[in-house]
Amino acid sequence: NAGVTQTPKFRVLKTGQSMTLLCAQDMNHEYMYWYRQDPGMGLRLIHYSVGEGTTAKGEVPDGYNVSRLKKQNFLLGLESAAPSQTSVYFCASSYPPPGDGYTFGSGTRLTVV
Amino acid sequence: AQSVTQPDIHITVSEGASLELRCNYSYGATPYLFWYVQSPGQGLQLLLKYFSGDTLVQGIKGFEAEFKRSQSSFNLRKPSVHWSDAAEYFCAVEGGNKLVFGAGTILRVKS
Repeated sequence: NAGVTQTPKFRVLKTGQSMTLLCAQDMNHEYMYWYRQDPGMGLRLIHYSVGEGTTAKGEVPDGYNVSRLKKQNFLLGLESAAPSQTSVYFCASSYPPPGDGYTFGSGTRLTVV
Repeated sequence: AQSVTQPDIHITVSEGASLELRCNYSYGATPYLFWYVQSPGQGLQLLLKYFSGDTLVQGIKGFEAEFKRSQSSFNLRKPSVHWSDAAEYFCAVEGGNKLVFGAGTILRVKS
């Protein structure tokens, strides 16, 4: 009963470094999402995918790229990290709307110094 | 585009007292509405959802919410708060294949 699994859970990057966050779900959900959470701003959508091989931009896509090569995985990449990307990142998955709501991972805390 | 406003950043209630967290949404079509709860250092857990039908919906942990179309509101309520309810609560509206969240309300419970 893993649900949505995010790796890593914590990461510190230096400005300009790159990294990839992995999200894996085992619920056969079509839709997957990446959000970032910052204090006082709720969760803001970065990118999302409505099926294998598809991606779309959300509210705050700049500086991020994503890929959905397999239905169960959704990768979030930072090509050149900036301090403004310090945040907690959440992955979520769902059935097509109206579904039963989203299932969230436990988050990745990223610090860019 | 849809949006959600949670007017209260922080709320403090005494244990055993009633609770109401406010949520106002903006969306042109019939909204799908959600409340999520987040404990410190954790992910988000779904409390309840509204799609259609009865405007008073029941959720987990004794929470309920009422959809009022005329007021564009979806307020969360609980008749008697427990110390374990201290957390951050997020209202969200789904539209256009995505969920849009409010900024959240932090609930503090005093004994």
